[in-house]
Amino acid sequence: GENVEQHPSTLSVQEGDSAVIKCTYSDSASNYFPWYKQELGKGPQLIIDIRSNVGEKKDQRIAVTLNKTAKHFSLHITETQPEDSAVYFCAAPFSGNTPLVFGKGTRLSVIA
Amino acid sequence: NAGVTQTPKFRILKIGQSMTLQCTQDMNHNYMYWYRQDPGMGLKLIYYSVGAGITDKGEVPNGYNVSRSTTEDFPLRLELAAPSQTSVYFCASSYSSTAVNTEQYFGPGTRLTVT
Repeated sequence: GENVEQHPSTLSVQEGDSAVIKCTYSDSASNYFPWYKQELGKGPQLIIDIRSNVGEKKDQRIAVTLNKTAKHFSLHITETQPEDSAVYFCAAPFSGNTPLVFGKGTRLSVIA
Repeated sequence: NAGVTQTPKFRILKIGQSMTLQCTQDMNHNYMYWYRQDPGMGLKLIYYSVGAGITDKGEVPNGYNVSRSTTEDFPLRLELAAPSQTSVYFCASSYSSTAVNTEQYFGPGTRLTVT
């Protein structure tokens, strides 16, 4: 089945700096790569996703890049703010519309 | 829309007891999921459903059962609770076709402790 590895497990950045979180996946048939943000005491919420026919997608301060050859995708947050502090999860399906497999998460702390 | 609602928010069970975690969505989503989240381990899929009357096992189904009699409801049943089932449980839903994954909407979670 699919295996999703996420790094780093914790990340601390100064307010205004950029943060990058990376994930690798094992199955070349995977075609959908979402990123979820989980704030303390809440359920995860989708912040951005990318499909396999696109190499990069941006939404204001957030971007996701996909390298299908290397089978990895990354979340980029620019101009970080204290409210970006949360746990971030990447995910990928085994293939097609099979259920998502989630990474173990990255705890991001933005220091004011 | 209320989105995905879960009850209860917290529960303490004794070993061997049973309970049902409730999940309801009002978005007319066809797919529904149950995950458990243990510290540092991400989200593990327990069961999922692609529509009323259809359920399938996820990665960690042992010790759990589900049913999907309506589009809106997807209860998770724990029989003979064990300490290993201490976790935070999340229900989610999505509107997906047979070939495409889409955004999952998560409920607020149920924190379960088995002692």
